[in-house]
Amino acid sequence: DGGITQSPKYLFRKEGQNVTLSCEQNLNHDAMYWYRQDPGQGLRLIYYSQIVNDFQKGDIAEGYSVSREKKESFPLTVTSAQKNPTAFYLCASSIGHTGYNEQFFGPGTRLTVL
Amino acid sequence: KQEVTQIPAALSVPEGENLVLNCSFTDSAIYNLQWFRQDPGKGLTSLLLIQSSQREQTSGRLNASLDKSSGRSTLYIAASQPGDSATYLCAVRSGYGGATNKLIFGTGTLLAVQP
Repeated sequence: DGGITQSPKYLFRKEGQNVTLSCEQNLNHDAMYWYRQDPGQGLRLIYYSQIVNDFQKGDIAEGYSVSREKKESFPLTVTSAQKNPTAFYLCASSIGHTGYNEQFFGPGTRLTVL
Repeated sequence: KQEVTQIPAALSVPEGENLVLNCSFTDSAIYNLQWFRQDPGKGLTSLLLIQSSQREQTSGRLNASLDKSSGRSTLYIAASQPGDSATYLCAVRSGYGGATNKLIFGTGTLLAVQP
């Protein structure tokens, strides 16, 4: 059963903590993405990766970090430097990184700062 | 800078009605446009993808059109059902800043279909 999985579904963070959100895909897609969704705003791109061992900053990368050591995995770390991390985080993938490829999304992780 | 706008922000219709959701974008230099559905607290489900060279795509009761020159797309839902209730998001794939991977999203239309 192919798809994108994200874990955990809900995550709570204390002030000053780093947390890591997991994203795994078994679609054999080269490109993966992280978006953030806030109420009343459209989704915004945090980081993207076109291929293993490569990643690029999106529009709102400050306070976040990523790695792409395996094709199927693209974890996102929300660091203590991110001042307003409470949001819904969505991971996506596409078969290639050209502008014509369709993106598919995971179920999301809701992060709340206590 | 590419901006995507969706009107209306919310829509309530009785079951069985045909309806149209609107999406507009400011720059016609796009690779494609995608329509998504999002249920509360869930991820995005891709409904239709229209490449820049295409004028429309159809899937079941859904039909999406694209007019690049005017910067507009519409999503037509025929014979609406309560199960269609969700937020519908429009996104364009734009090449600004070299980031051809970036989807630029509208803020969505919240649709409620009343039984």
